[in-house]
Amino acid sequence: QSALTQPASVSGSPGQSITISCTGTSSDVGGYNYVSWYQHHPGKAPKLMIYDVSNRPSGVSNRFSGSKSGNTASLTISGLQADDEADYYCSSYTTTTTHVFGGGTKVTVL
Amino acid sequence: EVQLVQSGAEVKKPGESLRISCQGSGYTFTNYWIGWVRQMPGKGLEWMGIIYPGDSDTRFRPSFQGQVIISADKSISTAYLQWSSLEASDTATYYCARLAYGSATRPGDYWGQGTQVTVSS
Repeated sequence: QSALTQPASVSGSPGQSITISCTGTSSDVGGYNYVSWYQHHPGKAPKLMIYDVSNRPSGVSNRFSGSKSGNTASLTISGLQADDEADYYCSSYTTTTTHVFGGGTKVTVL
Repeated sequence: EVQLVQSGAEVKKPGESLRISCQGSGYTFTNYWIGWVRQMPGKGLEWMGIIYPGDSDTRFRPSFQGQVIISADKSISTAYLQWSSLEASDTATYYCARLAYGSATRPGDYWGQGTQVTVSS
């Protein structure tokens, strides 16, 4: 079972909105509403930003939002800020009763 | 406060065995799945497998099945990731994560600080 497909990089200027896609199959993204998104700064622990497709954990800015259509989930960051610059990974529960990550997307704030 | 504290960095030779640990505190360790995640140098995150310390139910991503052992000692609230014979390709940072709400379907809500494993002759 392959990793979910994400764009390698996305960039935007401060204040803009960007969207990261995450494409899987009916065995993962399309089959469950258990898609989550993590922010990862190299050398630090990943941080959960979105769970169950569109829910934000306590303390996560409402500038982060998630959605899903069919086999593709998306993370939108609005009002882009310098400290949003990081790697972002989607993750989904799968029919193999484990989880799978996407390949990761490097977000650059121009 | 929920915390996952991982063991320190390791430098090993190919063929050696290794066990790294992840100790949970601040919550009931037996009620939450623990997952292990690999990040190879310059690469992305990969789920390896998950374990439920309450009954040691363990599930692996297909590519890691038979390559590593995941276990837990609930008496000391610690999960382990173990190799019997390391290879250079095992060089990576390994993270443990608690899966939220005690279900295998849940995301990782708390994470360890990571353990760097270097395998080199």
